[in-house]
Amino acid sequence: DAGVTQSPTHLIKTRGQQVTLRCSPKSGHDTVSWYQQALGQGPQFIFQYYEEEERQRGNFPDRFSGHQFPNYSSELNVNALLLGDSALYLCASSLAWQGMDGYTFGSGTRLTVV
Amino acid sequence: DQQVKQNSPSLSVQEGRISILNCDYTNSMFDYFLWYKKYPAEGPTFLISISSIKDKNEDGRFTVFLNKSAKHLSLHIVPSQPGDSAVYFCAASEGYNTDKLIFGTGTRLQVFP
Repeated sequence: DAGVTQSPTHLIKTRGQQVTLRCSPKSGHDTVSWYQQALGQGPQFIFQYYEEEERQRGNFPDRFSGHQFPNYSSELNVNALLLGDSALYLCASSLAWQGMDGYTFGSGTRLTVV
Repeated sequence: DQQVKQNSPSLSVQEGRISILNCDYTNSMFDYFLWYKKYPAEGPTFLISISSIKDKNEDGRFTVFLNKSAKHLSLHIVPSQPGDSAVYFCAASEGYNTDKLIFGTGTRLQVFP
């Protein structure tokens, strides 16, 4: 049973560029959440997608956007990259209304902005 | 504004002894709390949770205690094993079925022989 798969695992981008990160949820899960974990910090909620709609959003600027596809996979897009966007980006999948215990995290994408 | 705080960035414990990891929160709307364990190059994995209607929950070597009046929870690991060495995150949510978790900054636990 495959867990949450994220790609790529590492990425280096230049300030001002745009990046797209991808996430395939655990089999059977229909909800995808994205988190940003800066160095030395805990993960911070970016947004959650369910039924291809953004269900809730954290305190992140509009440069951060996302998408969920009919097969429940998801993308996180970040425009106009800043040095401060360098972080580990974690995707978590769950089953709607299952409860927080059901959250399953991927291993993350390490984004470095230079 | 850090709503979930883990004030000890690191903890070192001898194998076989008890490890106690602490977490404080400020938001009184939080009513569900979780602990995650994270190894390097892996995502956080769920360890144990507790609802605000309880003050204790046990799962094998892991026990979580919740003190609502003090807005404090702790994770006890007994006995500690070298494989428990990891970063532990405390997280909170407003409700069991909700959209987001609020995480603390983590405590790095090292269990030495």
